Amino acid sequence: NAGVIQTPRHKVTGKGQEATLWCEPISGHSAVFWYRQTIVQGLEFLTYFRNQAPIDDSGMPKERFSAQMPNQSHSTLKIQSTQPQDSAVYLCASRRDSAETLYFGSGTRLTVL
Amino acid sequence: GDQVKQSPSALSLQEGTNSALRCNFSIATTTVQWFLQNPRGSLMNLFYLVPGTKENGRLKSTFNSKESYSTLHIRDAQLEDSGTYFCAAVNTGGADRLTFGKGTQLIIQP
Repeated sequence: NAGVIQTPRHKVTGKGQEATLWCEPISGHSAVFWYRQTIVQGLEFLTYFRNQAPIDDSGMPKERFSAQMPNQSHSTLKIQSTQPQDSAVYLCASRRDSAETLYFGSGTRLTVL
Repeated sequence: GDQVKQSPSALSLQEGTNSALRCNFSIATTTVQWFLQNPRGSLMNLFYLVPGTKENGRLKSTFNSKESYSTLHIRDAQLEDSGTYFCAAVNTGGADRLTFGKGTQLIIQP
C-alpha cells in the first residue's frame, strides 16, 4: 500500500497560467478530499468526492478552480489563470468510508510567481 | 470564530517531559482525528476517536463529546515528537468533511 500519491510534489507557474494537480487515492477507498494549506488560513477544505461523484465543493473558489474524478484511481484539481494568492500546499486525502480514518498524501506545493 | 480551537498554539518541551494538547469544538461532532505534520509536511494519523480514550505507546487521546473537547497527552517526549499537531472534527450538522484546528507547534529540545 503506497498510500495516497500526489504529483507533482512541487509546481511553479507564472501568473495567469494553468495548473493541474493529480491525486491517486488508496486502492479501495471510496471518498477523496482536497484541502489547501497556507500559513495564514491553515488547512481549508476544498472539495469531496464519494464513489467518484462530487458531494461537496463548498470550499472551492468558484471561478477558476475545478476538480474531477474520472475514475476510482485518480482525481485532478485544476486551477485556471493562477494568481499569487493561489500559492499553497494542496493536499489530497482518501478514506474507505465515512466512519474511517482519513489518510493524506504528501501534498503538492504550488508557487505562483 | 474558530469552529475547532487548539491550544496552546506553540509549545517547547525538554526531552523526557510530559505535555497535554487540547482541542475545543464549537460544532457538533461525533468523531475526532489527531494528526502530526512532520517538518517535511506529511500529515500522519495519530488517532481516530469516537467518545472515549485511546492509547498508543507514549500517546493517549481522549474525546469528550458532551463537553466538546479532546486532549492529546504525550508522555516522555522524544526529539522525533517535534512537529505540528492538528486535531480535526467531522461536522455532523453539515457535510461529511473534517474541519481542522490551526495546530499546535511542538518543539522538543534535548
